[in-house]
Amino acid sequence: EVQLVESGGGLVQPGGSLRLSCTVSGFNFNSYWMHWVRQGPETGLVWVSRIGSDGGSTVYADSVKGRFTVSRDNAKNTLFLQMDSLRVEDTAVYYCARVSGWYSPFDHWGQGILVTVSS
Amino acid sequence: DIQMTQSPSSLSASIGDRVTITCRASQAIKSWLAWYQQKPGKAPKSLIYSASNLQSGVPSRFSGSGSGTDFTLTISSLQPEDFATYYCQQYNSYPYTFGQGTKLEIK
Repeated sequence: EVQLVESGGGLVQPGGSLRLSCTVSGFNFNSYWMHWVRQGPETGLVWVSRIGSDGGSTVYADSVKGRFTVSRDNAKNTLFLQMDSLRVEDTAVYYCARVSGWYSPFDHWGQGILVTVSS
Repeated sequence: DIQMTQSPSSLSASIGDRVTITCRASQAIKSWLAWYQQKPGKAPKSLIYSASNLQSGVPSRFSGSGSGTDFTLTISSLQPEDFATYYCQQYNSYPYTFGQGTKLEIK
């Protein structure tokens, strides 16, 4: 069974940092591109970032470029999202999601983890 | 960025009804469109990919159509478990973008 489990969320002050993890099982992690998607209380679903299967190719939404860094450890079946210079508007539930390759939808999602940025 | 516009934003319907949700892209996306179902407190679930292909395990009462800029999701006979929020999403180009959602409620 394919499983994706996020961790590392919580409450952080504006300007702070947080690192999210997504640990996967049930599939060959190093063969899949992975994404982060967030869902804020007022913003709906918003795509955040993508990383290629070997970690060598990354893409970011303009709203997080330069502040967030996506990475992966294929030996540990884990995806990461390093979030720096956090803003109130980054408050959201963050999901990791799997795609099967080029021009593929998100076929499996984690359960989501809440990040709250507030003073 | 490609804007995805869904209509309606909310919809009330009864068990057994046929319902259709539309999604319009601000520019052509070929058939690179997915539909997701989301229930409160849960992650989205993939229903349809490439505009008209059903994900494995999804009931056949769900169907999708369209290409280019105009797409539809149809549920042929609503079941109690279908009351949820539905999102379309384009994956033609980055940034991937979602529609604002259609909340399907029981009448």
